[in-house]
Amino acid sequence: EAQVTQNPRYLITVTGKKLTVTCSQNMNHEYMSWYRQDPGLGLRQIYYSMNVEVTDKGDVPEGYKVSRKEKRNFPLILESPSPNQTSLYFCASSLYYGGTSGSGNEQFFGPGTRLTVL
Amino acid sequence: AQKITQTQPGMFVQEKEAVTLDCTYDTSDQSYGLFWYKQPSSGEMIFLIYQGSYDEQNATEGRYSLNFQKARKSANLVISASQLGDSAMYFCAMREGNQFYFGTGTSLTVIP
Repeated sequence: EAQVTQNPRYLITVTGKKLTVTCSQNMNHEYMSWYRQDPGLGLRQIYYSMNVEVTDKGDVPEGYKVSRKEKRNFPLILESPSPNQTSLYFCASSLYYGGTSGSGNEQFFGPGTRLTVL
Repeated sequence: AQKITQTQPGMFVQEKEAVTLDCTYDTSDQSYGLFWYKQPSSGEMIFLIYQGSYDEQNATEGRYSLNFQKARKSANLVISASQLGDSAMYFCAMREGNQFYFGTGTSLTVIP
């Protein structure tokens, strides 16, 4: 089954304790991205990757790191989490990016990771 | 300035009626893409419809259509023949370059 998986789905942690949220897709997609969703703010892009070893900042990258060593995986790293990073996090992927054709541009989302930082 | 603006925090529609969810966007790029996603109460994000900036025809996918007015920079979602299962949050999004921008969403409730 074609899917984007994230782990863990739920996480409660404490300020300053490093954590990693994994994301994996099995669709051979080039583009992968991380978002956070907060009430009243919609989804905001944290980081994105256009291919292996190619990553770039989105709108809200502060406090986060990413890496793309393999095409299928795109982990999100919080080196020193703070309470303002409490949020719902989504990983997403698309076959490619850019261009004007609809097919292939749409993003497939993982199920989300609800993170609470105390 | 907001890249995507959704001015309707909440909407109600009678079952079987049509409803329009508003979305305006802000970009100076000539090439961009517009998307609508649905988020039910279970939390997953479901892709509904896409419109490319060079597409001359409005996109349609089943009961969903996108009313694209380029000069007004609007990309409204029209849902025809609403069903109870359409009750959800709806997000408008734009791809500009390699980045994506989402609106704050519209909560749609379908009334039996």
